[in-house]
Amino acid sequence: EIVMTQSPATLSVSPGERATLSCRASQSVSRNLAWYQQKPGQAPRLLISGASTRATGIPARFSGSGSGTEFTLTISSLQSEDFAVYYCQQYNNWPPGTFGQGTKVEIK
Amino acid sequence: QVQLVESGGGVVQPGRSLRLSCAASGFTFSSYGMHWVRQAPGKGLEWVAVISDNGSTKYYADSVKGRFTISRDNSKNTLFLQMNSLRAEDTAVYYCAKDRLGIFAYWGQGTLVTVSS
Repeated sequence: EIVMTQSPATLSVSPGERATLSCRASQSVSRNLAWYQQKPGQAPRLLISGASTRATGIPARFSGSGSGTEFTLTISSLQSEDFAVYYCQQYNNWPPGTFGQGTKVEIK
Repeated sequence: QVQLVESGGGVVQPGRSLRLSCAASGFTFSSYGMHWVRQAPGKGLEWVAVISDNGSTKYYADSVKGRFTISRDNSKNTLFLQMNSLRAEDTAVYYCAKDRLGIFAYWGQGTLVTVSS
């Protein structure tokens, strides 16, 4: 089973600043990597698939990059509604579609 | 638009059973695989099971294999999760999700299952 590791566990950022989240796979997943956003009390929402393709309705301030084992989610200018937990998930070898443990983006 | 509505959660004693449902609308249900994903309180996401569009293929996480059964009724646009021999560690919010080649494209709002004596 592929293990996904996210860093940092918590990221403290001021509104308007850039946030950079990392996700590492224990073996190559090509570009079969998705990012999800989860706000408190809500279901996760798909942000990005294929490592860099935004889902419908996702603002352009969210961008993804990477391939193989190293991936990055960047939020260019944090808005108040972006403070949430972000999960990466590989779907190169599935099932199972393994998730990272999440990165919490909190207000600094 | 895609809508997924879970139901059937509640409090259940260890060793007992529970059946979750997920009512789907806004898309051609019979054309898509469907997943169950769970989240223990304060924890991350854990994939539980997947079923193919016609129900012929099913896969399970090792943690639930032999105890949980995923099924679907395409005539009623409904997904199910039969959970037997429940354990305390099965306590979680259970989400159903629409599959897109291994991606969890859309999620329901979840239903809470609490296993406690």
